[in-house]
Amino acid sequence: DAGVTQSPTHLIKTRGQQVTLRCSPISGHKSVSWYQQVLGQGPQFIFQYYEKEERGRGNFPDRFSARQFPNYSSELNVNALLLGDSALYLCASGGEGTGMIDTQYFGPGTRLTVL
Amino acid sequence: AQKVTQAQTEISVVEKEDVTLDCVYETRDTTYYLFWYKQPPSGELVFLIRRNSFDEQNEISGRYSWNFQKSTSSFNFTITASQVVDSAVYFCALSEREAGNNRKLIWGLGTSLAVNP
Repeated sequence: DAGVTQSPTHLIKTRGQQVTLRCSPISGHKSVSWYQQVLGQGPQFIFQYYEKEERGRGNFPDRFSARQFPNYSSELNVNALLLGDSALYLCASGGEGTGMIDTQYFGPGTRLTVL
Repeated sequence: AQKVTQAQTEISVVEKEDVTLDCVYETRDTTYYLFWYKQPPSGELVFLIRRNSFDEQNEISGRYSWNFQKSTSSFNFTITASQVVDSAVYFCALSEREAGNNRKLIWGLGTSLAVNP
């Protein structure tokens, strides 16, 4: 079975631009979570979606938004990029029907560099 | 205060040595989950184990073993006969309930393990 997939793998943007990151969860998983990981630190929770509804939001500015589609895939959008947004963005899927964050399985991540 | 503490920032061992990674957590939940993830240099977080708060039985999976002790709020991870391929950053995480019956993962800062040949 395919794992969590993310695209693109790498991205280079300039300050002020907008970016969209994509994630497809493991088949059968209905929950998608997004994390930001800055070099040398642990993942920081951004959003969780379950059945197309937002279930949780971390301490990130409104420049960050996300949505989940009927097929459970998800997009993370970041507007007005700042240098500090440079990070590895990780998507995780889980919640096999329960809506609860139990075990989360991570994708390979998207490495975003903002110049 | 940190809810998940991994006091060891970096550990360096020689191949075939045993190594224990410490994790101490803090929660008021009576039902919670603890996790260990491995992050190799490639960057992908690899799930290793999940333990719920009602199951204090230690677990062994090959060279990996986990010691969960509620009395000391610890969930330590031991690698026996370490190998170079074990070199990675290891994260301990706690899943606890928040408003609306949702849960979120709280992560430790990670322990960077270097296994040298």
